[in-house]
Amino acid sequence: DAGITQSPRHKVTETGTPVTLRCHQTENHRYMYWYRQDPGHGLRLIHYSYGVKDTDKGEVSDGYSVSRSKTEDFLLTLESATSSQTSVYFCAISGLAGHNEQFFGPGTRLTVL
Amino acid sequence: AQSVTQPDIHITVSEGASLELRCNYSYGATPYLFWYVQSPGQGLQLLLKYFSGDTLVQGIKGFEAEFKRSQSSFNLRKPSVHWSDAAEYFCAVGAHRQAGTALIFGKGTTLSVSS
Repeated sequence: DAGITQSPRHKVTETGTPVTLRCHQTENHRYMYWYRQDPGHGLRLIHYSYGVKDTDKGEVSDGYSVSRSKTEDFLLTLESATSSQTSVYFCAISGLAGHNEQFFGPGTRLTVL
Repeated sequence: AQSVTQPDIHITVSEGASLELRCNYSYGATPYLFWYVQSPGQGLQLLLKYFSGDTLVQGIKGFEAEFKRSQSSFNLRKPSVHWSDAAEYFCAVGAHRQAGTALIFGKGTTLSVSS
């Protein structure tokens, strides 16, 4: 299995509070991604990174920000959590641009009350 | 716009029977196609992938998929289903971005296996 960990694995928070999710990889892969998974929607891309300090938006980026200060860590921040951000969040990594497959972390289940 | 459609939300198959999960995609260029499996409470595991060449690709756990350009399809098959195959299956297409490639997923098909 690819060396990807996510923390925390579960979190319950209240509306309006900031939340940061962490993705850590030991594979030294260049590309990292954040997806959210919701019933009936599959997985949707939030943000992705193509190198240290290089990030771009995905299809559902509103309300989220990311940072990548070193190769191994990719942080997802909800500045002010809302109930609509209750979801399961997955981090993925990829070694190459183009067609290379992505490897997924175990996910973080976030509940916003 | 790129998209992936999995027409079947839920399928039930008897153990030992054959399986086919459907996937249709919309993509302007030659697609990179993937099938992932997700067991309850787990992350996603890659079953197989298609980039080019032979249109019938083999994957792990006895799965295979066939790319049919004329039908814009990439259906997943298995000749004999085991109870442990019960899971959710996602088809995805690799979509090129300005930098890197993101995956566009279908909404998934839940497979139940009956004894």
